[in-house]
Amino acid sequence: DAKTTQPPSMDCAEGRAANLPCNHSTISGNEYVYWYRQIHSQGPQYIIHGLKNNETNEMASLIITEDRKSSTLILPHATLRDTAVYYCIVNLRGFKTIFGAGTRLFVKA
Amino acid sequence: GAVVSQHPSRVICKSGTSVKIECRSLDFQATTMFWYRQFPKQSLMLMATSNEGSKATYEQGVEKDKFLINHASLTLSTLTVTSAHPEDSSFYICSARVTSGRALDTQYFGPGTRLTVL
Repeated sequence: DAKTTQPPSMDCAEGRAANLPCNHSTISGNEYVYWYRQIHSQGPQYIIHGLKNNETNEMASLIITEDRKSSTLILPHATLRDTAVYYCIVNLRGFKTIFGAGTRLFVKA
Repeated sequence: GAVVSQHPSRVICKSGTSVKIECRSLDFQATTMFWYRQFPKQSLMLMATSNEGSKATYEQGVEKDKFLINHASLTLSTLTVTSAHPEDSSFYICSARVTSGRALDTQYFGPGTRLTVL
């Protein structure tokens, strides 16, 4: 059973922030939130992960709610190359990664 | 850092032949690697977990005699599709788990291998 719920698709205008939500209401205390993305016909690309605190790196920001039941991945200035399927995964650190359906993000010019 | 490669990137073979796919961690050691396959318009499906120096652990429904996995070194795991049939045509992707440093326990994925069985 999927541990996360994501909208099947979203649109975003180029240059604007893309905010991708993820619900994980059954997350346990030692499970992390990971985000990956898959551009067509390529392997998934690691984006970011976090446990409790908000995280930021060169690709994106991850905002985790205080109760940890949901999170949002933020791409601050989306480009056409950010069009991809984005996967939110809740996992014990180092455990095998099980993929759900993800969110298909379309960035439009 | 944390680069994973796969070889070949695409392969076409005849039905009944065997095909070997290599997965390498280029700049880190990986005691654990994972193999996935992905059919068109579907998500990745985990096939097996490959542990260096021991037998692979297969997910339910994956035939271990058909999909042979060998993880003989800390940087290389291989997946052999034996007696391939057209229904084995798929996109095969591996990942490797980082075992030290800032990216500890994060999985990084290879670019995938497109297998077409005629």
